[in-house]
Amino acid sequence: QVHLVQSGVEVKKPGASVKVSCKASGYTFSDYFIHWVRQAPGQGLEWMGRIDSKSGGTIYTQNFQGRVSMTRDTSITTAYMELTSLTSDDTAVYFCSRGESPGGANDYWGQGTLVTVSS
Amino acid sequence: DIVMTQSPDSLSVSLGERATINCKSSQSVLYSYNNKDYLAWFQHKPGQPPKLLIYWASTRESGVPDRFSGVGSGTDFTLTISSLQAEDAAVYYCQQYRSAPRTFGQGTKVEIK
Repeated sequence: QVHLVQSGVEVKKPGASVKVSCKASGYTFSDYFIHWVRQAPGQGLEWMGRIDSKSGGTIYTQNFQGRVSMTRDTSITTAYMELTSLTSDDTAVYFCSRGESPGGANDYWGQGTLVTVSS
Repeated sequence: DIVMTQSPDSLSVSLGERATINCKSSQSVLYSYNNKDYLAWFQHKPGQPPKLLIYWASTRESGVPDRFSGVGSGTDFTLTISSLQAEDAAVYYCQQYRSAPRTFGQGTKVEIK
């Protein structure tokens, strides 16, 4: 069965960086993209970008250009999302999700990682 | 970017009654190459990840009850819950995956009356 298991809660100070991991199992990792979506408190879902698990190619949404980096380690079927220069506006739950390459819907999701940015 | 607009923002429906949510995209999400609409519907409950209900605008994900159905093509789409159950209380989102960035509607909160 497919599982996406994310790393745990993070508390960061403004200006710091955070790196969230997403361990995939139960399917062929390279056949799917990993997408990252976040939800700030009281807000809707916001797609941040995706990484092609096979090639490592990335697409980021304009809102996060220059601050986000998505990587993967195929040897351990794990994807990562790093966000830098954190502000309180980055306080959110961050989800990873898989989508079949190249244009499949997001069918399985990680459990979410709460990132709190506070001084 | 393709802008997704849902209506209404919230909905209060009695158990067993029908709930209807609309979603409109600013550009067509139909890909003429394969004649598929790149439109998905998700159910999101607090403390849980979003759950995929419908993809290709009208294909129900495996395990999703048949009271959930999706219709539409091009720029106008509808999610219908034919007979609302207590466990259907949630926020529902449409999302286009035709082009990057994948964009979500603002969400529709469904409550039990």
